[in-house]
Amino acid sequence: QVQLQESGPGLVKPSETLSLTCTVSGGSISGYYWSWIRQPPGKEVEWIGYIYSSGSTDYNPSLKSRVTISVDTSKNQFSLKLSSVTAADTAIYYCARHGPGGYFDYWGQGTLVTVSS
Amino acid sequence: DIQMTQSPSSLSASVGDRVTITCRASQGISSYLSWYQQKPGKAPQVLIQAASSLQSGVPSRFSGSGSGTDFTLTISSLQPEDFATYYCQQSYSTPYTFGQGTKLEIK
Repeated sequence: QVQLQESGPGLVKPSETLSLTCTVSGGSISGYYWSWIRQPPGKEVEWIGYIYSSGSTDYNPSLKSRVTISVDTSKNQFSLKLSSVTAADTAIYYCARHGPGGYFDYWGQGTLVTVSS
Repeated sequence: DIQMTQSPSSLSASVGDRVTITCRASQGISSYLSWYQQKPGKAPQVLIQAASSLQSGVPSRFSGSGSGTDFTLTISSLQPEDFATYYCQQSYSTPYTFGQGTKLEIK
């Protein structure tokens, strides 16, 4: 059974960089797309971007200038960096897997990141 | 971006009821539509993919239909564990987008 687990700081200061890592267990990271998705408390779900196991990426244009997603296949991990954060970036951040069909079949439990000084 | 609009935003129903939730895409997305269920404090879980394919392990009381711009999720006979928030999501093109959600509450 594939499992995903997010890790990283729960509190980030405004203007700093949010950094999260997703560790994949129970399966290989190869051959799939790995996404970051966020959900501000009580608000809509927003797709941030994905990385394919080969390293190719696609980002949401609304965040593209601030986002970097990378992968470390040797550790079965992928990571998110979001720069110049503001309070609007406060959200539950999820990592998730999808295949060619584009639906997310495995999700991490989510981690709340709060942007505050 | 493709906008996904769900209706209704909230719905009250009783155990045993048949419930239908609608999702409309701002442009045609063929059958690249998935439905998710989310319970408080948990990640969304996929119920239906490719508009009408039931994900493995999901009860058969859930069904999906539609193509192009209009889609529906139907729960044939509500069970207590079905009270949750439901989202549609398009994967026709990036950025992938979700509907605003439909909160299903107990009447």
